[in-house]
Amino acid sequence: GNSVTQMEGPVTLSEEAFLTINCTYTATGYPSLFWYVQYPGEGLQLLLKATKADDKGSNKGFEATYRKETTSFHLEKGSVQVSDSAVYFCALRTQGGSEKLVFGKGTKLTVNP
Amino acid sequence: DSGVTQTPKHLITATGQRVTLRCSPRSGDLSVYWYQQSLDQGLQFLIQYYNGEERAKGNILERFSAQQFPDLHSELNLSSLELGDSALYFCASSPRIAGGGEQYFGPGTRLTVT
Repeated sequence: GNSVTQMEGPVTLSEEAFLTINCTYTATGYPSLFWYVQYPGEGLQLLLKATKADDKGSNKGFEATYRKETTSFHLEKGSVQVSDSAVYFCALRTQGGSEKLVFGKGTKLTVNP
Repeated sequence: DSGVTQTPKHLITATGQRVTLRCSPRSGDLSVYWYQQSLDQGLQFLIQYYNGEERAKGNILERFSAQQFPDLHSELNLSSLELGDSALYFCASSPRIAGGGEQYFGPGTRLTVT
């Protein structure tokens, strides 16, 4: 079946540190891949997406590249801020059939000043 | 603000009761999805409606049902509630079946069953 595996959290970093959150997936066909962010007490916000192999999604300094050969979609940011503290979810959507999103378990990021 | 609204924000009820959660999608979006977020199961897809018709079902219990009305708002009905139904329930919408596939999420309804 389709599944997403994210690195276990929590992740604690100092401001301006480099961030990587690993995400790998298992899916039939060629899924679309997403990163969503959930700030405390809020719903999920789409952070970035990629719909085909080698696509790079980017937004607000975050980026992730769709790697078909390693079935990965790792999230990176060069310099994190306190305001980036949130829970990050990797997700996939398979083509055809249901358009449901399959989520990883989420990675909680805390950035200290 | 995603443009997806959900009411109520919080709901506290007792075991055995029935509740209704409401969702209004973004203007023009035809698809509505319901997800459940709990500590042990994470984010799980429950059900999808497209333009008033059920399109896909996920891990939705028989005690749960949903519908989408002609004005495209959707309701999720949870009955015979159990303690384990306590969770955050999210609604999401998307413009059409094809396309980029992204979904836009509402702020959620936090259900507490006591």
